[in-house]
Amino acid sequence: KAGVTQTPRYLIKTRGQQVTLSCSPISGHRSVSWYQQTPGQGLQFLFEYFSETQRNKGNFPGRFSGRQFSNSRSEMNVSTLELGDSALYLCASSPDSSTDTQYFGPGTRLTVL
Amino acid sequence: AQSVTQLGSHVSVSEGALVLLRCNYSSSVPPYLFWYVQYPNQGLQLLLKYTTGATLVKGINGFEAEFKKSETSFHLTKPSAHMSDAAEYFCAVSESGNTPLVFGKGTRLSVIA
Repeated sequence: KAGVTQTPRYLIKTRGQQVTLSCSPISGHRSVSWYQQTPGQGLQFLFEYFSETQRNKGNFPGRFSGRQFSNSRSEMNVSTLELGDSALYLCASSPDSSTDTQYFGPGTRLTVL
Repeated sequence: AQSVTQLGSHVSVSEGALVLLRCNYSSSVPPYLFWYVQYPNQGLQLLLKYTTGATLVKGINGFEAEFKKSETSFHLTKPSAHMSDAAEYFCAVSESGNTPLVFGKGTRLSVIA
């Protein structure tokens, strides 16, 4: 089985722009979670989608949004980028909504200039 | 609210020596506990997890961890370090597997030849 894939792997944007990141879960997995990883704040939960519905949301501003499609693929969008949004964005998928079977993708490295 | 504390942001051991990475957690309900490893420019790989049952958990690559409820700890050990163990290690907690993972700040393990 193919693992979790994230595209693109690297991205460079400038302040004020918006960006969309994509995550394709493992086949058959219905839950997708997003995490932000920065040197200062570490790994922080952004949101989780299960069967196209947002189940949980972390403590991030409204500039961060996401969605999940009927094939379980997920996208996250960040609008009006700030320098502090530079981070590794990790996606994790699981068959159901529990966390004990999560598999992480390689991440998308976003750099905001 | 859950939280995780990893003692020591950087641990250095000699090849062949014991590896001990410390993790303490707080959780108001029975915790699910995890250790993940991250190699440079990669996502997170699950090393091992505790959900219920046996408190000594064995994982991949010779790692193991013991859940000690009285000490609210879940320390990661490996009897003999290998150069390939050099990476960043993250401890994480979830409340009964139904809430998003909360991660510690991570411990960078260096292995000296």
